Amino acid sequence: GQQLNQSPQSMFIQEGEDVSMNCTSSSIFNTWLWYKQEPGEGPVLLIALYKAGELTSNGRLTAQFGITRKDSFLNISASIPSDVGIYFCAGQLNNAGNMLTFGGGTRLMVKP
Amino acid sequence: GAVVSQHPSRVICKSGTSVKIECRSLDFQATTMFWYRQFPKQSLMLMATSNEGSKATYEQGVEKDKFLINHASLTLSTLTVTSAHPEDSSFYICSASNSHTQYFGPGTRLTVL
Repeated sequence: GQQLNQSPQSMFIQEGEDVSMNCTSSSIFNTWLWYKQEPGEGPVLLIALYKAGELTSNGRLTAQFGITRKDSFLNISASIPSDVGIYFCAGQLNNAGNMLTFGGGTRLMVKP
Repeated sequence: GAVVSQHPSRVICKSGTSVKIECRSLDFQATTMFWYRQFPKQSLMLMATSNEGSKATYEQGVEKDKFLINHASLTLSTLTVTSAHPEDSSFYICSASNSHTQYFGPGTRLTVL
């Protein structure tokens, strides 16, 4: 099925650095979501964005819903080792029964 | 809030046997539940969508007779992998949806020998 274009695919950074990842789509979405998945676990919702242009923070995480509704980014500031995992973006259409379209994921590795 | 559980967390079975995986929304009623499978280093692939009391809607390429889904109540959906084969080995994840957002279970690791 369709996937969102998520980049980068992987990042290996030093503890304390800031991280940025983004997702783009050829079609619009009404909602953008960011999930984190750790090995052997299901995805955990980090941030949900419901309005074009919306900028939302959750601790050290900040995400924005692009004004065109076709993109979103997630920033992590001052990374720590427990930020390690795979981050997925997902787009949702309100009239699609809450179905999600996922990005390919960004694998984040943090060096202490 | 919005906790989804899955049971079992991991299962090993012999080829040809059937395996049932349960997905429960613990603190909310889920009008819709979704079943995904995930291969190593890949994103989640939607298998089917189920609404309470009605037949599941399967994605293209997913065999409905092999992956039986039952959504008997607003808090429980089950996925049964029938006549499992080694190629069915994967990480199966369910999610439950309230009116806005999907909340995911912790996943079930299925290994078919």
